[in-house]
Amino acid sequence: SQQGEEDPQALSIQEGENATMNCSYKTSINNLQWYRQNSGRGLVHLILIRSNEREKHSGRLRVTLDTSKKSSSLLITASRAADTASYFCATGRVDTGRRALTFGSGTRLQVQP
Amino acid sequence: DTAVSQTPKYLVTQMGNDKSIKCEQNLGHDTMYWYKQDSKKFLKIMFSYNNKELIINETVPNRFSPKSPDKAHLNLHINSLELGDSAVYFCASSPWAGGRTDTQYFGPGTRLTVL
Repeated sequence: SQQGEEDPQALSIQEGENATMNCSYKTSINNLQWYRQNSGRGLVHLILIRSNEREKHSGRLRVTLDTSKKSSSLLITASRAADTASYFCATGRVDTGRRALTFGSGTRLQVQP
Repeated sequence: DTAVSQTPKYLVTQMGNDKSIKCEQNLGHDTMYWYKQDSKKFLKIMFSYNNKELIINETVPNRFSPKSPDKAHLNLHINSLELGDSAVYFCASSPWAGGRTDTQYFGPGTRLTVL
């Protein structure tokens, strides 16, 4: 089963607006990562937040992590048409020492010009 | 230069055939992965290798066999292809980070269609 669930599944906004996506997970993690996937392409890493961090910024991206609620959010500010893509959260689990990521179901973001 | 490359990009084949997908990374990473993305975009780990050694083998049918001739390559061979194998297969790599899971770098994907 999927480790993460993302909300919403799809989001459509106008250029210039902010987009917020949420991710929930089930097990203990050592970090949480967000990836972007453009249609027909591979995944591109956006940002990594460690389990002892609460907030992180990278350009127009802001990620928060609440380990007590097992949830994270990704905020894209001042969105652009080029931000149109699917966004996935992925967790690195602590329990098994695995180095593979467990992905959420993704949010499809459409930014209208 | 492409960091993680996969060939072929598209693969269309008949049920029952055997096929291979190749993956190469030039990032000097120790760990490589194969993921499967189904039609609903769910992405799931299949295998992971570290320095040519298998470290993760999820509940994947034994028709799927990964092979790592060296740490820069991780190929995926699939025997007796079935309709349900149709998906996009992604190769990825990451630096060795001990017990932690670090940033992964993905290839462009191979879209496999089984007819």
